[in-house]
Amino acid sequence: GIQVEQSPPDLILQEGANSTLRCNFSDSVNNLQWFHQNPWGQLINLFYIPSGTKQNGRLSATTVATERYSLLYISSSQTTDSGVYFCAVRGNDYKLSFGAGTTVTVRA
Amino acid sequence: KAGVTQTPRYLIKTRGQQVTLSCSPISGHRSVSWYQQTPGQGLQFLFEYFSETQRNKGNFPGRFSGRQFSNSRSEMNVSTLELGDSALYLCASSLITSLNPLDTQYFGPGTRLTVL
Repeated sequence: GIQVEQSPPDLILQEGANSTLRCNFSDSVNNLQWFHQNPWGQLINLFYIPSGTKQNGRLSATTVATERYSLLYISSSQTTDSGVYFCAVRGNDYKLSFGAGTTVTVRA
Repeated sequence: KAGVTQTPRYLIKTRGQQVTLSCSPISGHRSVSWYQQTPGQGLQFLFEYFSETQRNKGNFPGRFSGRQFSNSRSEMNVSTLELGDSALYLCASSLITSLNPLDTQYFGPGTRLTVL
């Protein structure tokens, strides 16, 4: 299956700071999603973004499919942004493969 | 519209027992996928069902099985439980299984299984 690497593995931010999370993948993909997992384990959809750029409030994402990477931007971070962010991709085998995640801690 | 629901939310079993987990997708969604999340292995794909047919399967032993009913609800069964099966089991649904935005996966809250 497709290999998915996320960086950094951990990120500690002061409230109000901006950050960038990266997702690299090893092959062409048909589906790329970013999720936020809250402390209770719920995976929340952030973006469906196999290519291009999208924005939703303080979050935005860009995927450059030809270079096999995606970026998630968090601006003006808040404590509620804490949690684990996952990138997941689906290739031609139709299996959704997840990265190991980036654990974000936002301190007040 | 109600989200994906999973029952039960928590489960404690002993080695050798079997367990059945249930997932009800978002109304109108026909694809249901199952994932296992553990601290060591992360999130791993188990299988995907679409219109009662298994469309895809991950690399798990035959002890892990599933099915989908005509109303798109799905069940996952694990037989002869092992300690290593302790995990958060997540179910996701999507409108279709294809190569477009309708393939967006929506996850349920999960079932946390503990095997003693």
